[in-house]
Amino acid sequence: EAGVAQSPRYKIIEKRQSVAFWCNPISGHATLYWYQQILGQGPKLLIQFQNNGVVDDSQLPKDRFSAERLKGVDSTLKIQPAKLEDSAVYLCASSLDVPAPQHFGDGTRLSIL
Amino acid sequence: QKEVEQNSGPLSVPEGAIASLNCTYSDRGSQSFFWYRQYSGKSPELIMFIYSNGDKEDGRFTAQLNKASQYVSLLIRDSQPSDSATYLCAVNIKPGLDQAAGNKLTFGGGTRVLVKP
Repeated sequence: EAGVAQSPRYKIIEKRQSVAFWCNPISGHATLYWYQQILGQGPKLLIQFQNNGVVDDSQLPKDRFSAERLKGVDSTLKIQPAKLEDSAVYLCASSLDVPAPQHFGDGTRLSIL
Repeated sequence: QKEVEQNSGPLSVPEGAIASLNCTYSDRGSQSFFWYRQYSGKSPELIMFIYSNGDKEDGRFTAQLNKASQYVSLLIRDSQPSDSATYLCAVNIKPGLDQAAGNKLTFGGGTRVLVKP
C-alpha cells in the first residue's frame, strides 16, 4: 500500500512570498489533515477534510493560509504572504475512518528568509 | 494547562533496559490514544494505539491507559539504540453527532529518548 505522498520535500522562500504544498493521501482514506510542526514541538492541526468538505479549520490562520481538497482526493495548502514564523514542517496525514489512526507523509520543510 | 502534556526529556536509558514514557491529558472526554515515534528529520510513525483502560502489548511496546487518572504511558522493553527518537502522545475526543469532527488529534510536545549502548 502506497503511503501519503507530499511535495515538495523542501522549500526556501523570502518573507511575503507565496508557497504551495501538495498532498496525495492513502487510497481510500476519506479524511485528510494538514499539520504544522515547529521545531521542538508536536504537530498542530491546521485543517481537517472529510472527503472534500472542511470539518475543522479552527487553527488555520485564514488571513494567510488556505487549503482545498478538490474531488475528495488530493489537497493543496497555500501560504500567502509568508511570515518568518511560518518556518516549520508541514505534514499531511490521512485516515480511513473515525476514529482511526492517522498516517503521515514525509512532510515539507519550509524555511522563510 | 496544556491539553496533552509530556516530559520533554531527554530520557536516557541504557541498552536493554525498560524506557517508561508518560502522558497526561486534560479532556475527560478523550477516547482514543496514540503513540507516534518520530526520528529526527522524519515524519511521525504510528507505533501503538489504545482505546480501553488497561494494558495493550505489541512486541517490545506496551501501552497503558488509565482514564480515571487521565494518563497514558508507553513502555519500551529491551531498549535498543534504534529506539532513540522522540515519542509523541496524541489523544482525541469522543465523536459527537458529527462523527468526523471527533477524530481530531491533539499532540503533546514529545519526549526525546536516548538509548545508550
